[in-house]
Amino acid sequence: DVKVTQSSRYLVKRTGEKVFLECVQDMDHENMFWYRQDPGLGLRLIYFSYDVKMKEKGDIPEGYSVSREKKERFSLILESASTNQTSMYLCASRDLPTYEQYFGPGTRLTVT
Amino acid sequence: KQEVTQIPAALSVPEGENLVLNCSFTDSAIYNLQWFRQDPGKGLTSLLLIQSSQREQTSGRLNASLDKSSGRSTLYIAASQPGDSATYLCAVPDSGGYQKVTFGIGTKLQVIP
Repeated sequence: DVKVTQSSRYLVKRTGEKVFLECVQDMDHENMFWYRQDPGLGLRLIYFSYDVKMKEKGDIPEGYSVSREKKERFSLILESASTNQTSMYLCASRDLPTYEQYFGPGTRLTVT
Repeated sequence: KQEVTQIPAALSVPEGENLVLNCSFTDSAIYNLQWFRQDPGKGLTSLLLIQSSQREQTSGRLNASLDKSSGRSTLYIAASQPGDSATYLCAVPDSGGYQKVTFGIGTKLQVIP
């Protein structure tokens, strides 16, 4: 069974703090994704990593950066957290060649 | 740019009813289509993946069909149960580039005992 884990289920941070969200997958997948999900807006892609060497901006990268030092780990960084980054953050990995996506349990981040 | 629409946005049915959820997409040059289930406050669970060369996929009481030419997929749930209550999302990889994925906003299903 593919397993995607995220470092925290719930997180509360203060405005201006640097926040790290970590995601680990155990199936040797090349592709990994970070999404945020907000009511009425659905899932929006923040960043995408095709492999360890390549990171691509998604639809809403502003205020975020990513790190992928190892194939199994993809980290999302909020450089200076703001209240409008309060959201559910979902990590996913993708199997090639089927292109099937697998999701982690999500991190509910609240920025106060 | 790919756009994915799911209708209806919400659905409430009595237990035991068979039901159909709809997903439509604008760019028919898709590689595959994936259906997910999401329980409140949780991540997405993969239900079915249909490759572009397939017409349908089945898993237990679930059957998903794909009609690329019309840009549509349906998820059929037989003999619905209260435990099926969740939000159902469909997702389609973009046809070009690195194949980023576009999601529908989902259909929120409530099965009433």
